[in-house]
Amino acid sequence: AQSVTQLDSHVSVSEGTPVLLRCNYSSSYSPSLFWYVQHPNKGLQLLLKYTSAATLVKGINGFEAEFKKSETSFHLTKPSAHMSDAAEYFCVVTPGGYNKLIFGAGTRLAVHP
Amino acid sequence: DVKVTQSSRYLVKRTGEKVFLECVQDMDHENMFWYRQDPGLGLRLIYFSYDVKMKEKGDIPEGYSVSREKKERFSLILESASTNQTSMYLCASSSLGAKNIQYFGAGTRLSVL
Repeated sequence: AQSVTQLDSHVSVSEGTPVLLRCNYSSSYSPSLFWYVQHPNKGLQLLLKYTSAATLVKGINGFEAEFKKSETSFHLTKPSAHMSDAAEYFCVVTPGGYNKLIFGAGTRLAVHP
Repeated sequence: DVKVTQSSRYLVKRTGEKVFLECVQDMDHENMFWYRQDPGLGLRLIYFSYDVKMKEKGDIPEGYSVSREKKERFSLILESASTNQTSMYLCASSSLGAKNIQYFGAGTRLSVL
């Protein structure tokens, strides 16, 4: 069975410091992995996706994620947090076959001045 | 830009009422999805459709039905609303293919009293 575990439900950082949001996955197939972001009262927006090409994936707004098969991880990072990064972030796996997404529980990122 | 439009941002209904949530996409996408989002649970798939008049149950279909009479429109129906269906409902669409990005609407926050 496929699953996604986001290791932190809340992360708090200061503006200008690095961001790390952790995600582990379980998949029987070669997965596609995504990170989505949801700002307050908004729909989900795709940040980046991994589909078996380069293991380091760059996304929008300075975010990137590294696919590590040996660790079954797909952590999201950003070198320097901005106030506008405050949002909820979802790690998502699609196990292949159907276009069906499996979501993690989400990590709420707070950014303090 | 892909646009997925949900007809209502907020809805308040009474227990036992029949509720319709409407979703329209403008990109001629084959696939459409309905999710519910609850704190700490991420998004869970209720139903999806990969073609007109076709539907498949997701992970939590109980108490819901769907209708897809036209390619661009996907409706979620609560036959007899209950308080445990109070939630945020998100619609998404994607083109055919297992690794394709899903595009989300802004969501409908439904309260059942």
